[in-house]
Amino acid sequence: DTAVSQTPKYLVTQMGNDKSIKCEQNLGHDTMYWYKQDSKKFLKIMFSYNNKELIINETVPNRFSPKSPDKAHLNLHINSLELGDSAVYFCASVTSGTQYFGPGTRLLVL
Amino acid sequence: QKEVEQDPGPLSVPEGAIVSLNCTYSNSAFQYFMWYRQYSRKGPELLMYTYSSGNKEDGRFTAQVDKSSKYISLFIRDSQPSDSATYLCAMSVEGAQKLVFGQGTRLTINP
Repeated sequence: DTAVSQTPKYLVTQMGNDKSIKCEQNLGHDTMYWYKQDSKKFLKIMFSYNNKELIINETVPNRFSPKSPDKAHLNLHINSLELGDSAVYFCASVTSGTQYFGPGTRLLVL
Repeated sequence: QKEVEQDPGPLSVPEGAIVSLNCTYSNSAFQYFMWYRQYSRKGPELLMYTYSSGNKEDGRFTAQVDKSSKYISLFIRDSQPSDSATYLCAMSVEGAQKLVFGQGTRLTINP
């Protein structure tokens, strides 16, 4: 019974490609986040959605576009991938006081 | 200057030792303070959650917040090898929303 799941777990791709990462939560929460964790372990907010509406959009390049088809899903599409996009991307689902993180998607851009 | 500063370590201690992990911050509006534990190749999981100043204890773990010094700590008593992980402090102005994380301290407990 995985609370927050992400697919794929690993993604290796060439520079310039377009890729998507999917996230699903079965906790019934209204709010979900995307985070990026770089090689030095810094975890930074990228986007937040509340009940399918974008509420936080940090300074993220336009190549990144989140989409929330319903409140249980928050996907991340990345256009024209660059070397600097290599990182671990975490999805999180939020209820009062606690963020529940997914297992992460390790993206490597070659 | 980063909003939240945390020594990345690595920190290595023998089993049974008391571990002290710390973060400092610059934003005096932070009211909610959390510690997350992240095992290798896993997502962070919430360990401790504190509102405003004071201490909170949960088993072998104690979280302290000193808002006057803008300093938070996590103590682990009787440390175990299973405590080996990266510990991230996180804080926010509004509960669990828009958390600002420290860099994380990588901790190893040696048997």
